[in-house]
Amino acid sequence: QVQLVQSGAEVKKPGSSVQVSCHVSGDTFSSHAINWVRQAPGQGLEWMGGIVPIYKISEYSEKFQGRVTFTTDESTTTAFMELTSLRSEDTAVYYCARDGYQYDVLTGYKAFDIWGQGTAVTVSS
Amino acid sequence: DIELTQSPDSLAVSLGERAAIKCKSSQNILYSTDNKNYLAWYQQRPGQPPKLLIHWASTRESGIPDRFSGGGSGTDFTLTISSLQAEDVAIYYCHQYYSTPWTFGQGTKVEIK
Repeated sequence: QVQLVQSGAEVKKPGSSVQVSCHVSGDTFSSHAINWVRQAPGQGLEWMGGIVPIYKISEYSEKFQGRVTFTTDESTTTAFMELTSLRSEDTAVYYCARDGYQYDVLTGYKAFDIWGQGTAVTVSS
Repeated sequence: DIELTQSPDSLAVSLGERAAIKCKSSQNILYSTDNKNYLAWYQQRPGQPPKLLIHWASTRESGIPDRFSGGGSGTDFTLTISSLQAEDVAIYYCHQYYSTPWTFGQGTKVEIK
């Protein structure tokens, strides 16, 4: 059974950076994209971008371009999201989510079939 | 960017009754090459991550009860819960994966009347 397990809650000062990890177990790590989605308190879902480990290619939402970086570590089957220059509006729950498309065999669908439990990031002075 | 607009924002339905949520896309999300609509529906219960219910607009994920069904094509889609159960209280989101940036509807809150 595939699971995505994220790192714990973070409290950060404005202007600092945060890194959230997402450990993937029970599956072929490299062949599925890992997406990052955030949800501000009481708000909807916002896609930040994603990374395809097998190609080490990332795509970033224009809104976060220049402030966010996605990386992966295949040895630990973990994906990372780093967000810099934090401001209060970045207070949100951050989710990693696997998409169902398999980039090694080019089949499947890109809806987000498995999600991490979420990581709460609070930005406050 | 493709904008998804859901309606209504919230609805209250009696147990056992039908609930229907609409999702309208600002662009066609039916891909002509494979004749598939690149739309998914998620359920998010309080304090939980979203859960994929339906992809390709009408294909239920494994383990999802058959009271959940999806329909529509092109720009207009519907999620229907045929007989609302207490555990269906949640916020429901549509999501297009036709073109990046992937986008979501604003959500529809379903409650028990």
